[in-house]
Amino acid sequence: ETGVTQTPRHLVMGMTNKKSLKCEQHLGHNAMYWYKQSAKKPLELMFVYSLEERVENNSVPSRFSPECPNSSHLFLHLHTLQPEDSALYLCASSQGVAVTLSGANVLTFGAGSRLTVL
Amino acid sequence: AQKVTQAQTEISVVEKEDVTLDCVYETRDTTYYLFWYKQPPSGELVFLIRRNSFDEQNEISGRYSWNFQKSTSSFNFTITASQVVDSAVYFCALSEANTDKLIFGTGTRLQVFP
Repeated sequence: ETGVTQTPRHLVMGMTNKKSLKCEQHLGHNAMYWYKQSAKKPLELMFVYSLEERVENNSVPSRFSPECPNSSHLFLHLHTLQPEDSALYLCASSQGVAVTLSGANVLTFGAGSRLTVL
Repeated sequence: AQKVTQAQTEISVVEKEDVTLDCVYETRDTTYYLFWYKQPPSGELVFLIRRNSFDEQNEISGRYSWNFQKSTSSFNFTITASQVVDSAVYFCALSEANTDKLIFGTGTRLQVFP
């Protein structure tokens, strides 16, 4: 497989459930990202990992817990979510500033995981 | 603080019309990068172009062209002779130098009717 793969593509969960979103990239990139896309809102940057270390955490509630076990995989663990957390969660990867030493990194996105919280 | 504004929420055109999508940005940095991405109905954002703040030359790629004007902090995108396949949401984005942080605008939904 090539590019950025996200699973599952669709997820429905209750507010008391615990689930995880998975992202895998086959591009040899060093940075990985989680974005949240809600209706009529900008794409919200949630987390950035560079060389497996979290470098950005945009005031995301603790019910979202990211994990980056290696440079190819990124998870978003979900627990006790609220209905307003329903959204499209997009994963992306890039070569990362730590490697390219610039801010010109092109992000490659996955197709997203559509989350519905009942 | 960085900010990207796409004032046009939705645009509808008929095939073969030209259409321009507006993007205005704010940043305090002198070195920064601007991007356009396309999000078709499948959901996956597709990279279209990247420009750095020192290169104000306009760029043309097939039916697509971009107009970067630092004086007005704008980076507008024009599709010439639009086609139905151009229907998508288009996002403008900004990244400051030496960060992995890419900030997006709210997007413009383009509908091209046959």
